[in-house]
Order: sequence, then structure tokens, then C-alpha cells
Amino acid sequence: GDSVTQMEGPVTLSEEAFLTINCTYTATGYPSLFWYVQYPGEGLQLLLKATKADDKGSNKGFEATYRKETTSFHLEKGSVQVSDSAVYFCALRGGSGGSNYKLTFGKGTLLTVNP
Amino acid sequence: DAGITQSPRHKVTETGTPVTLRCHQTENHRYMYWYRQDPGHGLRLIHYSYGVKDTDKGEVSDGYSVSRSKTEDFLLTLESATSSQTSVYFCAISDLDPLVGEQFFGPGTRLTVL
Repeated sequence: GDSVTQMEGPVTLSEEAFLTINCTYTATGYPSLFWYVQYPGEGLQLLLKATKADDKGSNKGFEATYRKETTSFHLEKGSVQVSDSAVYFCALRGGSGGSNYKLTFGKGTLLTVNP
Repeated sequence: DAGITQSPRHKVTETGTPVTLRCHQTENHRYMYWYRQDPGHGLRLIHYSYGVKDTDKGEVSDGYSVSRSKTEDFLLTLESATSSQTSVYFCAISDLDPLVGEQFFGPGTRLTVL
């Protein structure tokens, strides 16, 4: 079945540091890939997505590129802010293990940005 | 923000009691989902609905049932709550095109089973 593996947290950075959160996936076919963000005490919000190989999703300074050859969708941001402190989830939809409308999530990575 | 509300937002109950959580949407989206969020597990799908009276099981459906009698409401029932069902429960919705429609999440319900 489908699965998503993302780097263990927590990740602690200083403001303006570069961020990478690794995400790899297992699926056959052509899944869509997502990054969701969860701020403290809130539900999940879609941060960015990519629906086919080599697509780059971007939003709020965050970027991730769909790499089919390495089955990866790493999240990056050039300069993090304190307000980026949150839990980040990598997810996929589609692929072999489920219908096209179910999401499979990674376990989440807690990011803390210090001033 | 997508119009999704969950009720109650917090609940404490005792082992063996029935519990019903409600998800209400004002977006007229066809698909609705219930997830649970636990440390070290991310979000896991409990049940989902692809239309009124049309539901199916997710990966952690044991001990849960759902009902959807109206487009806007999706109920999750724990027939006899256990401590292992202590969790944060999220409802999500998505629109008519599952290939491109994103899932919008509600604010969550924190359930504690003593």
C-alpha cells in the first residue's frame, strides 16, 4: 500500500535559517503530493501541492518539487520566521493503495523557530 | 476558511459510554472524512463518505461507525468508548473532483476517554 516517510523531529532553527524537511513516499502510479501545516491548537491547512512529476509547489516562501526518480517531495524555505513554528505533514493522494480521494499522511515534523 | 465546524470541541467521557462527534459543512462538498491524530502516527483515516448514505472504512475503523443522512453532516460514533480512542479527531471535506480538489480540515475535537 501507499506510505509516506518524513524526517523525524523536532527541528529547531534560528530565525532566517534555511529549512529542509525530507519526505519520501512509496506508491505506484502517479500520486499527487501535498504538504500540510498545523499551527498550535488548529486544524491542518494545505501549504502546497504538486500533481505530477517535476512540478514545483510553492506558497508563503515554501517550496517542494515532485521528484519521481527519487520518490521525494522535500519541503524547503530559504529564511524561516518565528511564525513558521508548526507541525508539517507530508501526504499523498492516489497511487496504488487507495482511492483517489484518500490522503495518506506522514507522521509529522515539529518545527520550532527561535528569534 | 472553508465552512467546517466540529462539535463538541472538547469532550471527556468514561470507558464504555457511547460518544458521537459531529462534523457540519456549509460548502456542499460531496466527500467527507474522519481522521484521528495521535503522536507518532500523523493522521489516520477512520471512515469516509462519498455521498449521502455512502460511506466506507479507512485504515483504523474498528470501534467506530459513521452516518451521513444529509450532505452537510457527517457523524462519527464510538459505540463503547475505550481509552485507546483518546485522540484528536479531525473532519475534512473535499469537492466534486477528487483528483484535484484539496481536503479542507475542521478545527478538531479533543476526546479523552478515562
